[in-house]
Amino acid sequence: KNQVEQSPQSLIILEGKNCTLQCNYTVSPFSNLRWYKQDTGRGPVSLTIMTFSENTKSNGRYTATLDADTKQSSLHITASQLSDSASYICVVSDRGSTLGRLYFGRGTQLTVWP
Amino acid sequence: EADIYQTPRYLVIGTGKKITLECSQTMGHDKMYWYQQDPGMELHLIHYSYGVNSTEKGDLSSESTVSRIRTEHFPLTLESARPSHTSQYLCASSEARSSYNEQFFGPGTRLTVL
Repeated sequence: KNQVEQSPQSLIILEGKNCTLQCNYTVSPFSNLRWYKQDTGRGPVSLTIMTFSENTKSNGRYTATLDADTKQSSLHITASQLSDSASYICVVSDRGSTLGRLYFGRGTQLTVWP
Repeated sequence: EADIYQTPRYLVIGTGKKITLECSQTMGHDKMYWYQQDPGMELHLIHYSYGVNSTEKGDLSSESTVSRIRTEHFPLTLESARPSHTSQYLCASSEARSSYNEQFFGPGTRLTVL
C-alpha cells in the first residue's frame, strides 16, 4: 500500500532555531517527492521538488534531502522565523499512472515562538 | 503565486441546501483536481479532470459532483448538504505534459454545514 508518514506530528521551536522534519514513504514506482508549506486556512504552496537522482535541494532557508534507497526525506529549516509557523506536508508522486497520482502525508504542524 | 481561485472562501449553510464551490485557473492547465482535507489529516482526492468534458471520481468517495465545460472552470456541487460534508475543499491544477505533475493549489473553501 502506498503511504507517506511524517514525524513529528507537531513541533514547537523558538525563533532563530533550526529544525528538521522527517518523511518516510512506501510509494512505488517513485517519480518525485516534494515538500509543501500550508498556512492555516490556505492551500499548500510548493517549497522543493526532488526526483530519484537528486539527494539535496535548497530553497532559501529550506533544505530538503532525499534517500531513495531507504525511502526517506527530510526538510531542514534554518534560522526559523515566526512566518515559518505552518503545516509542512510531504507529497510523493508515482509514475505508474497517467494521472501521476500524489500521495500526501498528514503534515508536521510547526509553531515558531518569539 | 499560482493563478488559481476559489470562491467562496468560507461558507456556513443549513442541512439540505444545494451549494456550488467555484474554482477557476488562468494558467491554461488541462488537469484539475478537487481535494477534501479535515484538520490534521492528509488531503484526499475526490474528483479530477483531464480536460474539457472529462471528469473522474477520486480515491475518496464523495456525494459531490463536478463538471468541466470550460478549461479554466471546475465547479463542485453538493445537491443536499449534510453536516458530514463539513470540511476544507481544495482545488488544484497542473499541466497535462508536466513530467513532475506539479499541482498548484487554490486557497480553499472552508465549508460548515449546520
